Amino acid sequence: DVKVTQSSRYLVKRTGEKVFLECVQDMDHENMFWYRQDPGLGLRLIYFSYDVKMKEKGDIPEGYSVSREKKERFSLILESASTNQTSMYLCASTTPWGSSNQPQHFGDGTRLSIL
Amino acid sequence: DQQVKQNSPSLSVQEGRISILNCDYTNSMFDYFLWYKKYPAEGPTFLISISSIKDKNEDGRFTVFLNKSAKHLSLHIVPSQPGDSAVYFCAASQTGANNLFFGTGTRLTVIP
Repeated sequence: DVKVTQSSRYLVKRTGEKVFLECVQDMDHENMFWYRQDPGLGLRLIYFSYDVKMKEKGDIPEGYSVSREKKERFSLILESASTNQTSMYLCASTTPWGSSNQPQHFGDGTRLSIL
Repeated sequence: DQQVKQNSPSLSVQEGRISILNCDYTNSMFDYFLWYKKYPAEGPTFLISISSIKDKNEDGRFTVFLNKSAKHLSLHIVPSQPGDSAVYFCAASQTGANNLFFGTGTRLTVIP
């Protein structure tokens, strides 16, 4: 079974802090994703990465950056946390599209509160 | 602009009856569709998918129907069970693209 592990289930930080959310997958997947989930808005893509050191902006990248130094690890960075970044953050991974489309596998999420 | 829409935020169904969750999309280039189920404090888990070359895919109690001309898909759960109570997300993608587009979710409550 695919395992996507997010380092923290719950996190409380203060406005202006630099925040790191870590995600590790054990299936050698090339693609990794960061989403945030907010009530009434569904899942919105922040950034994704299709290879080590490669990244692409999603729908809502403002205020975030990412790092992918190793294939199995994808980090989301809040450069200067703000209260509107209070949310549930979800990491996912998958293989690239090929002859058989594969679903994305998600971690359990990090509920981040910015005070 | 929301390319995948789930217009019903919530649905309540009696145990044993059919649950029908609906999803509409606007991008005609989408050719792969998925349903995810999410319990509170857990990540979404993949439930069932369908390619645009099909109009139906079945897996046990779960069936997804795709109507390409209407840009509409639906998830049928028969019979519904209390353990099916969760938020269901519809998602769509285009072959060759790496990302999914998600709907806003429908909260299903199955009443015992």
